[in-house]
Amino acid sequence: SQTIHQWPATLVQPVGSPLSLECTVEGTSNPNLYWYRQAAGRGLQLLFYSVGIGQISSEVPQNLSASRPQDRQFILSSKKLLLSDSGFYLCAWGRANYGYTFGSGTRLTVV
Amino acid sequence: GQQVMQIPQYQHVQEGEDFTTYCNSSTTLSNIQWYKQRPGGHPVFLIQLVKSGEVKKQKRLTFQFGEAKKNSSLHITATQTTDVGTYFCAGRAGGTSYGKLTFGQGTILTVHP
Repeated sequence: SQTIHQWPATLVQPVGSPLSLECTVEGTSNPNLYWYRQAAGRGLQLLFYSVGIGQISSEVPQNLSASRPQDRQFILSSKKLLLSDSGFYLCAWGRANYGYTFGSGTRLTVV
Repeated sequence: GQQVMQIPQYQHVQEGEDFTTYCNSSTTLSNIQWYKQRPGGHPVFLIQLVKSGEVKKQKRLTFQFGEAKKNSSLHITATQTTDVGTYFCAGRAGGTSYGKLTFGQGTILTVHP
């Protein structure tokens, strides 16, 4: 069966520090992968999606970047965090005509 | 771009009361999906609707897709405390299978025992 792993679960980082969040999927090949951010009590904002290795589409220009170095690995990064980067980051895999499976998420607090 | 509006934003009910959340899209959708996010958790896929006028049931949950494929609803009969959470609709406007889903803002359901 397919599983999705996301870590860390929580993270507290100072303003200006770098960020790296990792997501891996098991049990499937060439998955479509997505990074979402959810502000407290709000909806899901699509940040990046990828349909293959090295293929990244950005939805919202901002302080973040994404990479897909391997088929089932998706990384979200920042060189310098801002206070506004705080939120709940969710990785997901799936197809829009089939349904998404979300990881357990990373709660990021920038202080 | 495509917008998906979801109402109400919040709903407080007594246990045993019914609950409905509505989803409206600015464009015709190829399919619509519903997700549930428990407090502190991540969204979990509930169901997908594809056909115009489609109605699907999961125990006490009833999902409908409008005839024009621009709106949808989720109705919960006789809510229980286990129903608490945020319910999201998400629609795809068309195109390839990896066309993006656009999520509504969600309805936060609180059930008072």
